[in-house]
Amino acid sequence: GAGVSQTPSNKVTEKGKYVELRCDPISGHTALYWYRQSLGQGPEFLIYFQGTGAADDSGLPNDRFFAVRPEGSVSTLKIQRTERGDSAVYLCASSSGQGTPLHFGNGTRLTVT
Amino acid sequence: GDSVTQMEGPVTLSEEAFLTINCTYTATGYPSLFWYVQYPGEGLQLLLKATKADDKGSNKGFEATYRKETTSFHLEKGSVQVSDSAVYFCALSSAGNMLTFGGGTRLMVKP
Repeated sequence: GAGVSQTPSNKVTEKGKYVELRCDPISGHTALYWYRQSLGQGPEFLIYFQGTGAADDSGLPNDRFFAVRPEGSVSTLKIQRTERGDSAVYLCASSSGQGTPLHFGNGTRLTVT
Repeated sequence: GDSVTQMEGPVTLSEEAFLTINCTYTATGYPSLFWYVQYPGEGLQLLLKATKADDKGSNKGFEATYRKETTSFHLEKGSVQVSDSAVYFCALSSAGNMLTFGGGTRLMVKP
């Protein structure tokens, strides 16, 4: 079956611009997670959705970052006034509930020039 | 807060060599422990997991045992193959199913 899909796979933007990254989770998965992976490091948690609501957004680095999941399926991570330090691979994962494995997408590589 | 520390790479081995990648953790309560693998050009995949002390997770010839007394979850494989070349991440989950990852260890296996 279809896995977690993330689009675009690559995004290059200029410093100060606004970007949106999309995640399509596995159908029926109620939990959705966003992580950020900088070069040579492990993924770092950003935000977790259970259904439509953000259950934990403690990993968002500042108020330039925001994520939504309006219908409890597709999620969009939004970054305002991008900075060069935002360059990373943004990973999305979904799971069917507490204690079940996370399934990761291939990520969106964001480069801010 | 929760944290995971794993040995830095790269680890370079010859085919059929024995592999150990060390992982230790700090967490409140009793976390679940995982190893994820990232093959070149692919997304993170769950390799194995253990949910309580003394559990052994295993998959594709890899094993790891949840050691509460040493807060460790070392990954082992008796005979590596070239196809095992990848980046391996140790991770824990203690609340809300969220994962805390280590920094990753790159494994390179030479024929």
